[in-house]
Amino acid sequence: NAGVMQNPRHLVRRRGQEARLRCSPMKGHSHVYWYRQLPEEGLKFMVYLQKENIIDESGMPKERFSAEFPKEGPSILRIQQVVRGDSAAYFCASSPHQGPAEKLFFGSGTQLSVL
Amino acid sequence: DAKTTQPNSMESNEEEPVHLPCNHSTISGTDYIHWYRQLPSQGPEYVIHGLTSNVNNRMASLAIAEDRKSSTLILHRATLRDAAVYYCILRSAKETSGSRLTFGEGTQLTVNP
Repeated sequence: NAGVMQNPRHLVRRRGQEARLRCSPMKGHSHVYWYRQLPEEGLKFMVYLQKENIIDESGMPKERFSAEFPKEGPSILRIQQVVRGDSAAYFCASSPHQGPAEKLFFGSGTQLSVL
Repeated sequence: DAKTTQPNSMESNEEEPVHLPCNHSTISGTDYIHWYRQLPSQGPEYVIHGLTSNVNNRMASLAIAEDRKSSTLILHRATLRDAAVYYCILRSAKETSGSRLTFGEGTQLTVNP
């Protein structure tokens, strides 16, 4: 059973471009979480999705950021008009169910660099 | 979300046991205690979790105080590969806020050869 797959592993964008980060959860997992880790900082929750639905987006910046988890295909975190401050590691996690005893399985992350 | 407090850093010697403490004095009765770790340049990795009773798995043991206001992650024989940031996280039964893991600063564990 393959783990959580994130691609690309590294992404370089110029200011003003769009960044699309993809996350394929583990097989059978319908819950996806996105986290961001700025340089020398901790992991910050961004958004929680369950197939086709956004459940909790309390950590998402109000502008330029969006996330989706379609019925078919990977979850996508989209950042429009990137700025230098968006440079960070973005991690995706998945779980088969929701609940306080559930484990989250994390991918290796996408390192976004904005020039 | 209930908060946890961990030391910023700890050191250990290879092949010795490591006890990583975590205080969570505001824990509620339905909060689960989770531990994750993050190795350099990698995503977080689940280590162990528990509610009231002590737990053991192949990676570690979790000792939970009787009043649940603190817990200790125990690595029985530290290896160099255990050098990582260890996070103690409370996970609530609340439907939305409990769905996410809220990471604090964690404890940076250094393992000396």
